Amino acid sequence: GENVEQHPSTLSVQEGDSAVIKCTYSDSASNYFPWYKQELGKGPQLIIDIRSNVGEKKDQRIAVTLNKTAKHFSLHITETQPEDSAVYFCAASRGNTPLVFGKGTRLSVIA
Amino acid sequence: DSGVTQTPKHLITATGQRVTLRCSPRSGDLSVYWYQQSLDQGLQFLIQYYNGEERAKGNILERFSAQQFPDLHSELNLSSLELGDSALYFCASRTPGQGDSELFFGEGSRLTVL
Repeated sequence: GENVEQHPSTLSVQEGDSAVIKCTYSDSASNYFPWYKQELGKGPQLIIDIRSNVGEKKDQRIAVTLNKTAKHFSLHITETQPEDSAVYFCAASRGNTPLVFGKGTRLSVIA
Repeated sequence: DSGVTQTPKHLITATGQRVTLRCSPRSGDLSVYWYQQSLDQGLQFLIQYYNGEERAKGNILERFSAQQFPDLHSELNLSSLELGDSALYFCASRTPGQGDSELFFGEGSRLTVL
């Protein structure tokens, strides 16, 4: 089955700097790659997703890139703000299969 | 508010006991997914139901079982509890007919086994 590896497990950045989180997946048939943000005491919430027919997607300060050949995808957050502090999860799936999540990255934005 | 409701929010029990976690999906969503979140394992998929039927099974222990009722709410039953079962249990639902679409998560049920 699918296996998703996520790095780093923790990341601290200064406010205003960029943050990058990377994930690799094992199943070349996977075609859907979402990113979820989990704030303290809450459930994960989708922030951006990308499908395998697209190489990059951007939404304001958040962007995701996908390299199907290398089987990895990344989340980029620019101009980080304290409210970006949270745990971020990448995930992968194909068709109707359940999402397989990475183990998460705890992002701390230092003001 | 995701529209997914989970109860109870917190639960403390002893080893060997049995508990039931409840989930109500978003209105109109037919799929329910259960995930377990522990400190070192991230979000682990347990089981999925679609319109009352089991659709996919992940790393769910034999001591655990689930079902989805005609009104689409779902229950996750955990029995013969062990210390290692302490975790956050999330339920999520998804828009019908869209396999690769957003999962909406509830706020979770935190289980502590003493």
